[in-house]
Amino acid sequence: QKEVEQNSGPLSVPEGAIASLNCTYSDRGSQSFFWYRQYSGKSPELIMSIYSNGDKEDGRFTAQLNKASQYVSLLIRDSQPSDSATYLCAVNRDYGQNFVFGPGTRLSVLP
Amino acid sequence: AAGVIQSPRHLIKEKRETATLKCYPIPRHDTVYWYQQGPGQDPQFLISFYEKMQSDKGSIPDRFSAQQFSDYHSELNMSSLELGDSALYFCASSTRQGREQYFGPGTRLTVT
Repeated sequence: QKEVEQNSGPLSVPEGAIASLNCTYSDRGSQSFFWYRQYSGKSPELIMSIYSNGDKEDGRFTAQLNKASQYVSLLIRDSQPSDSATYLCAVNRDYGQNFVFGPGTRLSVLP
Repeated sequence: AAGVIQSPRHLIKEKRETATLKCYPIPRHDTVYWYQQGPGQDPQFLISFYEKMQSDKGSIPDRFSAQQFSDYHSELNMSSLELGDSALYFCASSTRQGREQYFGPGTRLTVT
């Protein structure tokens, strides 16, 4: 079992809909949680970071964290075709420590 | 804003050759991480440096070595290349006090 799991996808949503991406992690010592967007052949781009239980909103993106359930999610409102990419969940234990990535969920937003 | 710079962007090598990848972190970032991403895979952590010292080590083969220099740039040296080393190699940087890592554009290494 991988340390970080994500729903396998691909996830297809119509333009304008809400896309919901999920991630679970096994290391209870994890402190920091990140969502990266990666277009094919490009580098991961930081979308959201979250460190405390609850919701964090930034524009069309909302990250949700529940440490008791070891669960973190990303909601994308008003999905656009340009949001079509692979979304990577990343987790680490402490400052300056490496990330453990999930396998990614491929999102396809259909016009 | 300045980003992480990696060079070269593309590299083609033959089996058993050597390769050197370079990474220039964001200004004032003192920590550098190297990740390897195979086709269809998630990024796998190789090695990291803080203040020119190795900070953490992941699944880096013994054929690979890396270092960080006084200007904080880092180089990943890869020897006796194998076909399986073909991948995207990303460098990321952060401050020691920061939690977020910012990725460079990557070097695509092809071993033939």
